[in-house]
Amino acid sequence: QQQVKQSPQSLIVQKGGISIINCAYENTAFDYFPWYQQFPGKGPALLIAIRPDVSEKKEGRFTISFNKSAKQFSLHIMDSQPGDSATYFCAATFRGGYQKVTFGTGTKLQVIP
Amino acid sequence: DTGVSQNPRHKITKRGQNVTFRCDPISEHNRLYWYRQTLGQGPEFLTYFQNEAQLEKSRLLSDRFSAERPKGSFSTLEIQRTEQGDSAMYLCASSQQGTQETQYFGPGTRLLVL
Repeated sequence: QQQVKQSPQSLIVQKGGISIINCAYENTAFDYFPWYQQFPGKGPALLIAIRPDVSEKKEGRFTISFNKSAKQFSLHIMDSQPGDSATYFCAATFRGGYQKVTFGTGTKLQVIP
Repeated sequence: DTGVSQNPRHKITKRGQNVTFRCDPISEHNRLYWYRQTLGQGPEFLTYFQNEAQLEKSRLLSDRFSAERPKGSFSTLEIQRTEQGDSAMYLCASSQQGTQETQYFGPGTRLLVL
């Protein structure tokens, strides 16, 4: 059972463009939604995260938009750069207790010059 | 480098052999997690330790898998009688219990079972 669905599977964006990755979750008990960035040969690294009581969170060029009623959230990368080329995972977990993170299937982003 | 380290980084083995992976978490972190990541998929939770206690095991962790964290420091993940379906990246993450908890992942051990 895939609890976090992610799209698209891959994305090609021109340098300077906006990259948008979408996710949907099923379990309404999730209360923390992190995004991870993974480069080849590396483990995932936390990029930005949001709680469901907030509709938007921005950190630099990265913005999460959250729609609690639709159980959807998305990552926007503004002014995308070649160095942003990586695989991005949306995820969901619980803030209370330990964090057993449920990951989406990933989006491979390629930013071309 | 004070991040999470994993050894070995790569392991090739023949079906039926046993393999053991090691994870050294960030030293002050009391929580440790193992995940498995197959090609084109996100990591999947395998098991969780709080200090030396293994508090949850996923149904993905069959009887052939065993994990330990003696003394609440490093952890080992052993796979007995490996199968081709065990081929994956095995990721370790650690965190410090708290309100702003963040999991820090290691680089993973890539296992190939021939």
